[in-house]
Order: sequence, then structure tokens, then C-alpha cells
Amino acid sequence: QQQVKQSPQSLIVQKGGISIINCAYENTAFDYFPWYQQFPGKGPALLIAIRPDVSEKKEGRFTISFNKSAKQFSLHIMDSQPGDSATYFCAASYLDSNYQLIWGAGTKLIIKP
Amino acid sequence: DTGVSQDPRHKITKRGQNVTFRCDPISEHNRLYWYRQTLGQGPEFLTYFQNEAQLEKSRLLSDRFSAERPKGSFSTLEIQRTEQGDSAMYLCASSQLRARHTDLGKLFFGSGTQLSVL
Repeated sequence: QQQVKQSPQSLIVQKGGISIINCAYENTAFDYFPWYQQFPGKGPALLIAIRPDVSEKKEGRFTISFNKSAKQFSLHIMDSQPGDSATYFCAASYLDSNYQLIWGAGTKLIIKP
Repeated sequence: DTGVSQDPRHKITKRGQNVTFRCDPISEHNRLYWYRQTLGQGPEFLTYFQNEAQLEKSRLLSDRFSAERPKGSFSTLEIQRTEQGDSAMYLCASSQLRARHTDLGKLFFGSGTQLSVL
């Protein structure tokens, strides 16, 4: 009930293409779904987050799509750039206790020039 | 906002030795977290402080691990009698209890301390 399953494990996309990473959760009580971006040798950094009361959130080239009935959410990176090459983690938690973030296993994204 | 800083960045130790890591959170943040991350995995929660009080500790955390935040500012994580399985990146993060709306739920991570136990 506490797992967050993330796919794919790795992804290669051509520059300018769309990168799509998917996550599925089990606990319907989760109400906060962030995506973190991590570069080698650095800690994760929050990229974008969504609450379950909306189905989509967009910030620049990054969009989260949220499907509450299917218990799935995904990250879309439009016009992918080489600088987007990083590991991306989805997570889920209760907003008022965000230390209990349940993390996906990560997706290593490589954008080919 | 100078970010979360961690020291040292790298630590190599021999099995059985004790190690201590330090984390300086963002100054106005009253919540501080320690996570552990191994290669190819997401961060694993270890423990959490609100001000100086340690409010939560992972059940997976061995008794060899102890963390302190004596004055509600910086924190230390000590591992006693290190084992090879302790080799990992140890991440510190901080957040505000009453954050701005745009920062609700946002954890600010440091760059971590990479521990190698030989």
C-alpha cells in the first residue's frame, strides 16, 4: 500500500522530443505528488508537484498529468534538452507530513543532441 | 538563502570505525530530515527533526545510527561501528513548517555526504 512504482528505469530521447515518465501509487490517502530532478553528485531538487484536486499542472516545459481513478501520474518534458539529462524521481505523501515521502526508484533520462 | 550545506562531501572509512556527518539547513527552516540513497534508488527516510525535537525515526534505522539537532539549527548524524552495507550517499534536507503556498511540501536537499566503508 505504500509503494510508488516508476517506469521506465531509463529513457533515451532525442533533443526536441517529448520525455514521458510514469508512476503508479497504491495508497489512495496520498495527497501530494512531487517530481524531483537529481544531477550526479547533487541532492534531488523539486521540479514540480501536484495535488489530486487537479488533473494537470504545467510549469514551463514540464507538465504533470494526474489520473486519480487509475492512481497514476506522469511527468512530460516537452522540447527535451541535453541539460534535462538527469535522474527523475516521483514521490507521494500526505502533505502535512512530507517527511514521509514514498519515492519511486528513479528514471535515468538521457537527451541525445 | 544559501541552501543546505553538508560536510564532508566524501568520507572513506574502515569497517568498524565511527563517522559523523554535519548538516546546516536553510536558516529559517525548522524541519530537518536525513535520508540515505544508494545507487539507482530513491532516497530512503532515516529521521526527522522539528526544531530540536526528533519526531520520527525509521524502523529500518539500526541502533548504530544516531542523530542530533541540539539547538534546532545544524544537525549531526553519527554511525557507530560502520559496516560495508552503510556505504551510501547520506542526504540532508530542510523545509519550513509554515511555508509559502508555492513551497508547501518542498524539501530542499543538500549535495550529500558520500560514505564509502572499506
